[in-house]
Amino acid sequence: EADIYQTPRYLVIGTGKKITLECSQTMGHDKMYWYQQDPGMELHLIHYSYGVNSTEKGDLSSESTVSRIRTEHFPLTLESARPSHTSQYLCASSESGRNEKLFFGSGTQLSVL
Amino acid sequence: SQQGEEDPQALSIQEGENATMNCSYKTSINNLQWYRQNSGRGLVHLILIRSNEREKHSGRLRVTLDTSKKSSSLLITASRAADTASYFCATDPISSGNTGKLIFGQGTTLQVKP
Repeated sequence: EADIYQTPRYLVIGTGKKITLECSQTMGHDKMYWYQQDPGMELHLIHYSYGVNSTEKGDLSSESTVSRIRTEHFPLTLESARPSHTSQYLCASSESGRNEKLFFGSGTQLSVL
Repeated sequence: SQQGEEDPQALSIQEGENATMNCSYKTSINNLQWYRQNSGRGLVHLILIRSNEREKHSGRLRVTLDTSKKSSSLLITASRAADTASYFCATDPISSGNTGKLIFGQGTTLQVKP
C-alpha cells in the first residue's frame, strides 16, 4: 500500500461551508496532484504541485484552492461549498524526474447538501 | 473525451475466464499506464508500458501497446472474483513534458462472477 493519506474519507456538509480536504504523503515525493472523479467517470486533474510553494491549476476548472507549504502536505480548500462540488476527490503523488506511476490516497467523498 | 477512451465500458465474465480491455488515445505519449480502482477507493497502479515497448507482462496481466494505432490492451488471465473492479488506462502525453500529468480514460468496469 502507498504511504499517502487522505482525510476525511467521507464528508457531508451544508451549502456555503468552508472545508479543507487533507492529503499527506511520507514518501518524500515532490510532485503531488488533486483529481476530481464523478461516479463511473474518468479522473480530471484540478491542481498539481512540483514542490514546496509551487502550485498550478489543472485541466478542469475548479473553485478550490491548494497550498504546498511542506513537501509532505497538499491540502485542498473550498471557501464556500455548493452542491455542484459533490464528487470524489483523489490526491496522488509521484517521484521527481522521469514520469513514473502515481500513488493515490483512498479519496474523500464529498457531499454538499 | 480528453485523451483515452476505453472499451468495453462494462464487462462481466465467469471466474477462470480471461478479460480483455482496450484503450485508445489521441496524442503521442511517453508511456501508458493501467490502474485498478475498487469501488469508492483510490487507484492502484498495475503496470506501465513505455512508448518504445510493445508488450509487457506482470503476473496474470499482459499489456500491449500499438503506437501506430494509438491503442493499448490489458489482458487479465484466469480471472478471480477479487479482480472485480474498475480499470483505467492513463497516458503520459509528450506535450506534458516532465510534469507527470496523466490523462485518464473513462474506465472499464469488470465483474467476475464466482
